[in-house]
Amino acid sequence: DVKVTQSSRYLVKRTGEKVFLECVQDMDHENMFWYRQDPGLGLRLIYFSYDVKMKEKGDIPEGYSVSREKKERFSLILESASTNQTSMYLCASSTIGGAGVTDTQYFGPGTRLTVL
Amino acid sequence: DAKTTQPPSMDCAEGRAANLPCNHSTISGNEYVYWYRQIHSQGPQYIIHGLKNNETNEMASLIITEDRKSSTLILPHATLRDTAVYYCIVRRSYNFNKFYFGSGTKLNVKP
Repeated sequence: DVKVTQSSRYLVKRTGEKVFLECVQDMDHENMFWYRQDPGLGLRLIYFSYDVKMKEKGDIPEGYSVSREKKERFSLILESASTNQTSMYLCASSTIGGAGVTDTQYFGPGTRLTVL
Repeated sequence: DAKTTQPPSMDCAEGRAANLPCNHSTISGNEYVYWYRQIHSQGPQYIIHGLKNNETNEMASLIITEDRKSSTLILPHATLRDTAVYYCIVRRSYNFNKFYFGSGTKLNVKP
């Protein structure tokens, strides 16, 4: 079974703090993703990575950065947390999609971050 | 990617089959139908996907109509733990194509 784990299920931080969210996958997937999920807004893509040290911006990258030093690990960094970054953060991984190959994304359990 | 339409909520008695419908009338030939579910406060869980043929795995069955304009996810013996929001997603499978999770169907399994 594919397993995607996230470092914390619940996290409470103060405004201005630097926050690290970590994600690890054990399926040797090339792609990894960070989303945030808010009521009424669905899942929104923050960043994704298709290889070690490679990253691409998603739909809402402002206020976030990422790091992928090893294939199995993808970190999301909030440089200076703000209250509007209170959300559920979801990590996902997938293999490379293409002709005849589906790139099903597998999600972690999520981290519910509260910024006070 | 094609748009999908799902009922906002459904009820099912525990132990009975749950049949969750999805309409995707604008689906194109190379788009897959994916189903995920999300139990409250957890990450989305992949269930099943298909292109043209019906599919079955240990979790569920996916029935796709011959014209591919609609599909049904079947949970053969629903349990209380199957209470969740179920998302039907239609998309082409190519690298970095996003998964758009709409509103889904809230399935309530009742004792």
